[in-house]
Amino acid sequence: ELKVEQNPLFLSMQEGKNYTIYCNYSTTSDRLYWYRQDPGKSLESLFVLLSNGAVKQEGRLMASLDTKARLSTLHITAAVHDLSATYFCAVVTGTASKLTFGTGTRLQVTL
Amino acid sequence: DADVTQTPRNRITKTGKRIMLECSQTKGHDRMYWYRQDPGLGLRLIYYSFDVKDINKGEISDGYSVSRQAQAKFSLSLESAIPNQTALYFCATSDLAAGGSGYTFGSGTRLTVV
Repeated sequence: ELKVEQNPLFLSMQEGKNYTIYCNYSTTSDRLYWYRQDPGKSLESLFVLLSNGAVKQEGRLMASLDTKARLSTLHITAAVHDLSATYFCAVVTGTASKLTFGTGTRLQVTL
Repeated sequence: DADVTQTPRNRITKTGKRIMLECSQTKGHDRMYWYRQDPGLGLRLIYYSFDVKDINKGEISDGYSVSRQAQAKFSLSLESAIPNQTALYFCATSDLAAGGSGYTFGSGTRLTVV
């Protein structure tokens, strides 16, 4: 059974600081997604990572994938309050293209 | 109009009642999914469908049923709702099988069972 673990589950950080969210998964996958969710809202796709060593950046967020270690990271640079949200990683497995989600990291950026 | 539309957006129902959550899409995707989100547990897969004749159980299908009425419509039913089915429900579509890149999620249905 595929397990997807994120840590930390909750992160409170000050504006201007850097931090990294980690996503570990337990079985081989060729595709990993990062999503953002605001309270009560749907999921917004941030990144899709397709191969070992893939790195993608958008604004203050940068995601990377190490398929050998089964690890993805989401790095936040110089956090701003608008980044406060819950972030999920999700791994695609099997021919059914099922997404298995991590438990999420709730990020709170304080002024 | 949204690509994936869920109705209702919010619903309060009583224990033991039958309720249907509906999902329709204009993406033209074959694959559709129903997920449930509970606080602290992320999203978990309830059912998924490849086409109108292909329905599959996900990891938490007990207490739920689905119907794929057409390529564009995928409904989730709770035959006899119970309080621990209180959650946020998401419908999603995927074009991965057709060589696409991802998933499209609906806005969600917040269901409360009292």
